[in-house]
Amino acid sequence: DAGVIQSPRHEVTEMGQEVTLRCKPISGHDYLFWYRQTMMRGLELLIYFNNNVPIDDSGMPEDRFSAKMPNASFSTLKIQPSEPRDSAVYFCASSFSSGNNEKLFFGSGTQLSVL
Amino acid sequence: GDSVTQMEGPVTLSEEAFLTINCTYTATGYPSLFWYVQYPGEGLQLLLKATKADDKGSNKGFEATYRKETTSFHLEKGSVQVSDSAVYFCALKSSGTYKYIFGTGTRLKVLA
Repeated sequence: DAGVIQSPRHEVTEMGQEVTLRCKPISGHDYLFWYRQTMMRGLELLIYFNNNVPIDDSGMPEDRFSAKMPNASFSTLKIQPSEPRDSAVYFCASSFSSGNNEKLFFGSGTQLSVL
Repeated sequence: GDSVTQMEGPVTLSEEAFLTINCTYTATGYPSLFWYVQYPGEGLQLLLKATKADDKGSNKGFEATYRKETTSFHLEKGSVQVSDSAVYFCALKSSGTYKYIFGTGTRLKVLA
């Protein structure tokens, strides 16, 4: 399996622009998570889905952030409009809930820079 | 809500030194506990885990014991190598959910 795939790997944009980050989870996994990593705040959970349905979005910073999962193999995290303080590494992770297999599989992340 | 607190870094050690990275948690019920490792430019990888009190997780010479009485899950290794240089994250999975909460991470640098 190719693992969790995120794109783009790097994104540089200007303040006010819309940014869309993409994630393809591991096939068969039924949970998908979006995290944001910064030096100041560490790794923050933004939102997670189960079977394509958002379960907990309490970590989404504000209305400028939105996430969707239209099917089991694809999710997006959108920021509109973007601001310099959104600059961070955004990680997607997936997991499989069955049995005793408690483990998150992370993608390589998207490094976002908002100028 | 549930939370994880781990020691701030960076931690700098000489090769073959003993490593301890402290981690404590606050949670309702009985969470599962984890250590993840992040190498430069990569995503996090599971290092070890423990799912109930007094369980010991171990992998690649690293160990951590689930201590419910002290709400701790400290990471230890008897002899570190240069290749262990990375950022280490303590995490919990809240009881009855699939919500994973991470600490802020501790950067380890091992010098030859």
